[in-house]
Amino acid sequence: DAKTTQPPSMDCAEGRAANLPCNHSTISGNEYVYWYRQIHSQGPQYIIHGLKNNETNEMASLIITEDRKSSTLILPHATLRDTAVYYCIVRLTSGTYKYIFGTGTRLKVLA
Amino acid sequence: GAVVSQHPSRVICKSGTSVKIECRSLDFQATTMFWYRQFPKQSLMLMATSNEGSKATYEQGVEKDKFLINHASLTLSTLTVTSAHPEDSSFYICSARARLGNSYNEQFFGPGTRLTVL
Repeated sequence: DAKTTQPPSMDCAEGRAANLPCNHSTISGNEYVYWYRQIHSQGPQYIIHGLKNNETNEMASLIITEDRKSSTLILPHATLRDTAVYYCIVRLTSGTYKYIFGTGTRLKVLA
Repeated sequence: GAVVSQHPSRVICKSGTSVKIECRSLDFQATTMFWYRQFPKQSLMLMATSNEGSKATYEQGVEKDKFLINHASLTLSTLTVTSAHPEDSSFYICSARARLGNSYNEQFFGPGTRLTVL
């Protein structure tokens, strides 16, 4: 079973920040939080990942709570091309490295 | 960098035939590849983990004799759907685990293969 829960859908106005929450209350100390997105009929695209600290790259920022039980993916200036299903995944730092996908959040960016 | 390709992108076949799907890491070596299946409006479901030079590890409920996986080199894994039936129609996606910096990190995904069994 997936170890993450996300809201099924969200809307965001174009140009505004999109904040996508993820709950991973059973996460253990040796598990990373990964975010991917999937645009219709394509393979998932890597966005960002983190262990304890907040992370930022050219695509997004990842905010992880101090107790690590939840996180938020932030797209600072959403565009229409950011419309996709966003998946939050927890993954062990060693071993099989396999992902178990949850249901994800369907983000719709509105013009 | 870290590009994964799949071939074919789309295949239509008759019931009872076998279909082979290739997954290649184009610019890196992948000791581990993964195969997923995705039905319409559903999430990705992990089918199996494929390690180069060894037998694949299948997830619970996935028939290993139905979905044959071969990982003969560090850049190629194949999934063969044997005796395909209409219920096997799905979107099949592979991924490869890539090394970034000093540790192996995220998976990079292929574009997927849409299989339709008539």
